[in-house]
Amino acid sequence: KNEVEQSPQNLTAQEGEFITINCSYSVGISALHWLQQHPGGGIVSLFMLSSGKKKHGRLIATINIQEKHSSLHITASHPRDSAVYICAVRWQDTDKLIFGTGTRLQVFP
Amino acid sequence: GAGVSQTPSNKVTEKGKYVELRCDPISGHTALYWYRQSLGQGPEFLIYFQGTGAADDSGLPNDRFFAVRPEGSVSTLKIQRTERGDSAVYLCASSLWTSGGEQFFGPGTRLTVL
Repeated sequence: KNEVEQSPQNLTAQEGEFITINCSYSVGISALHWLQQHPGGGIVSLFMLSSGKKKHGRLIATINIQEKHSSLHITASHPRDSAVYICAVRWQDTDKLIFGTGTRLQVFP
Repeated sequence: GAGVSQTPSNKVTEKGKYVELRCDPISGHTALYWYRQSLGQGPEFLIYFQGTGAADDSGLPNDRFFAVRPEGSVSTLKIQRTERGDSAVYLCASSLWTSGGEQFFGPGTRLTVL
């Protein structure tokens, strides 16, 4: 069992739909990251959070430390949002990231 | 300013050969991380440096893998006697500090071992 699990693994949506990607983890963490990876491209950090909620444009990330769960939401999705979204956690007392396997999102016009 | 850069972008080698992968972090970033990403998987931690020293190398799969950062900036990941299973994208990231700093990723080096 992976320490970090994401769902769904694959997600397709029509342009304009509201998207939710979930991440659950099984260890104590000091922070959780949401990352975006485009095909053939590098990884871009979207959010780093340790509590509550953060918003940037159409993206919203929330975390519930007690339930060991985080969600990434995309409002008014657009084809350019198509990418792999990866959740990664920083274990307490370490500085290394443990990654989920990613959620592949495709948004069709 | 310039982001994290990695060279080469692609490397094809034969089984048994030695390879070096280079990472140039963002100037002034003290922490540097190496990850490996196999096809269809999330990245896996290999090693990270705080300054010149390896703070945690617990992710290196075996003693064929070694990394250095002699002057606290550029880092080189070295793989001896490459095997086909080493084929992956090797990602480097840097952050201003450890203990919670945001990590900035490079574009990766795609290593193919034939």
